[in-house]
Amino acid sequence: QKEVEQDPGPLSVPEGAIVSLNCTYSNSAFQYFMWYRQYSRKGPELLMYTYSSGNKEDGRFTAQVDKSSKYISLFIRDSQPSDSATYLCAMIRVNQFYFGTGTSLTVIP
Amino acid sequence: GAVVSQHPSWVICKSGTSVKIECRSLDFQATTMFWYRQFPKQSLMLMATSNEGSKATYEQGVEKDKFLINHASLTLSTLTVTSAHPEDSSFYICSASGLKETQYFGPGTRLLVL
Repeated sequence: QKEVEQDPGPLSVPEGAIVSLNCTYSNSAFQYFMWYRQYSRKGPELLMYTYSSGNKEDGRFTAQVDKSSKYISLFIRDSQPSDSATYLCAMIRVNQFYFGTGTSLTVIP
Repeated sequence: GAVVSQHPSWVICKSGTSVKIECRSLDFQATTMFWYRQFPKQSLMLMATSNEGSKATYEQGVEKDKFLINHASLTLSTLTVTSAHPEDSSFYICSASGLKETQYFGPGTRLLVL
């Protein structure tokens, strides 16, 4: 079993919908949790960075971490076609990155 | 499946030395490998893309003579930081993709140049 699991999708939603992206992990020693957005042929762009349980909001994006359930989520409100991309979760433990495989999201106008 | 490893995970070196970082796809053939730099709490910056058996394609602003990339086989790519300086200290992360173009990321190599 991989240490970080992420449903690869693809996920298609209509414009304006709320999108929920999720990752689960198996090791409780993970310290930092990130969400990246990656457009085709570009490097992953850091969207959210958190290290504690709870919610963190930035504009239309909310990152949620539940350490007791070993579960992290990224919510996108009022989704736009420009949000169409691959979303990667990542975690850090002992200076090592652990990436999910990414979820491909398409927002349909 | 689809595991990418990097070696070493940690390296400390003196200024002026060269450091080689390996990126391996353990259970699939990687036709394309990508090298990124990751500064703390920042986005991954794409440095170069390499296809097996071909010269790497470097992103604008990345010195190809300083960051030597070799992709000699379908499971191994190496990044050599030549004459490393303290400003080269960073995480270096590789990713690999096969025929399906999904990128699988390695765990990163932390380089500290003293």
